[in-house]
Amino acid sequence: GAVVSQHPSWVICKSGTSVKIECRSLDFQATTMFWYRQFPKQSLMLMATSNEGSKATYEQGVEKDKFLINHASLTLSTLTVTSAHPEDSSFYICSAPQAGARNEQFFGPGTRLTVL
Amino acid sequence: QKEVEQNSGPLSVPEGAIASLNCTYSDRGSQSFFWYRQYSGKSPELIMFIYSNGDKEDGRFTAQLNKASQYVSLLIRDSQPSDSATYLCAVTTGNQFYFGTGTSLTVIP
Repeated sequence: GAVVSQHPSWVICKSGTSVKIECRSLDFQATTMFWYRQFPKQSLMLMATSNEGSKATYEQGVEKDKFLINHASLTLSTLTVTSAHPEDSSFYICSAPQAGARNEQFFGPGTRLTVL
Repeated sequence: QKEVEQNSGPLSVPEGAIASLNCTYSDRGSQSFFWYRQYSGKSPELIMFIYSNGDKEDGRFTAQLNKASQYVSLLIRDSQPSDSATYLCAVTTGNQFYFGTGTSLTVIP
C-alpha cells in the first residue's frame, strides 16, 4: 500500500512556542490530506482537511489561527501548532487518500506532542 | 445522529474464540467501508475494506456488509492476544470519510 510519513515522531516543547509537523506522501500524490488529533483513550478527531493550492477546511471548534495548515505541494502538508499550551499535548495523525483506491485513507505514523 | 456508530466496548473474548465487531452508518449513499485496527499509541492500520453486500474473507478476518440494514461487521476467528486493540469502522460517502469512535477488544489468554 501507499506510504505516508510524518516528522517528527515525537516532540517536547515549552508552553508558548510553535511546533511544525510535516506529513508526506512518499509514493503517491495527494491533493487532499487530513489532520486528526487523538487524546489518550479517545477516538480520532478530524481537525481539518488540507487542500493543495487552496485554504484548509477546518472542523467546527478548531481554531484556524492556532492550527496553521499549509499544503505546499502534492506530497507535503504541514500543521503548525502556534503558541502551544499543555492542553495541546496530544497525538497528531495525518492521512491521505490515494487516487483510484476508493478513498482508502493511508495514515502516517503519528506525532506525539508534549507541551510542558 | 452520528454518521458512523460503534459500541465502544470494551469487548473481551477468550483466546481462540470469535470476536464480533459491529458498526452502523446513517447515510444510505455510503459507498465504501473499512475496518482499521489501532494499537495504543500507534496510528490506525487498514485490516479490510468491503464495497459489496455479503461477506469478504481475508485470513482470520471476515467483513460482512448489509446495505439494506446499513450495517457492517468484522469477525475475527481464532482470536489471539495480539488482536487486542481498538477497531475503527470507517465509511466513505462521496468525498467524505467518516470514522466511528472505535471498539476496544481484549483477547484473554
